[in-house]
Amino acid sequence: QSVLTQPPSASGTPGQRVTISCSGSSSNIGSNTVNWYQQLPGTAPKLLIYRNNQRPSGVPDRFSGSKSGTSASLAISGLQSEDEADYYCAAWDDSLNGWVFGGGTKLTVL
Amino acid sequence: QVQLQESGPGLVKPSQTLSLTCTVSGGSISSGSYYWSWIRQPAGKGLEWIGRIYTSGSTNYNPSLKSRVTISVDTSKNQFSLKLSSVTAADTAVYYCAREGVIPDYWGQGTLVTVSS
Repeated sequence: QSVLTQPPSASGTPGQRVTISCSGSSSNIGSNTVNWYQQLPGTAPKLLIYRNNQRPSGVPDRFSGSKSGTSASLAISGLQSEDEADYYCAAWDDSLNGWVFGGGTKLTVL
Repeated sequence: QVQLQESGPGLVKPSQTLSLTCTVSGGSISSGSYYWSWIRQPAGKGLEWIGRIYTSGSTNYNPSLKSRVTISVDTSKNQFSLKLSSVTAADTAVYYCAREGVIPDYWGQGTLVTVSS
């Protein structure tokens, strides 16, 4: 059981916009920034979004993040086949004094 | 660019201690304000943070694993290590090491550790 809650799956067709939600509590998302990782099959997670809405160098601007209260969202616009991957949200938890992750969302490009 | 590489036994017997090392290249482990973390992922499941160490030696551990985990750093070898004691089948996972600035940003490729007799 993950501390942060994500839908197990999401899907869209090429060119569409999809969003993935992440729900937490006051001790994690409510008081700290949210980060997102993309994990392609058989590879390590790659940082996609940090501090709610910041993109590391090299991440396309098709990827965007937002946060409101104890929830956050990852949006992917202009969906491409190579976006098919697992996506994880993460946040620092002040009660646990450690990082907590969502259970992951498997994105399928139809 | 910093690179991390995990190493250690791929098979550990139940009740024994899992030991992994992460070798950092492309930069000194003791330079900059970074934590060095361990994260694991059971097959087909999500990510679980195990713990981290600062170059000063201070540590944070996941409360659910704290009684069994030790993370240490060897700055002379540019390495940090994970020891997880009294392992069971539930500890079977891919183990990743990562550098943490604002957040775990650079990750190793991961190493599969199977707990089985």
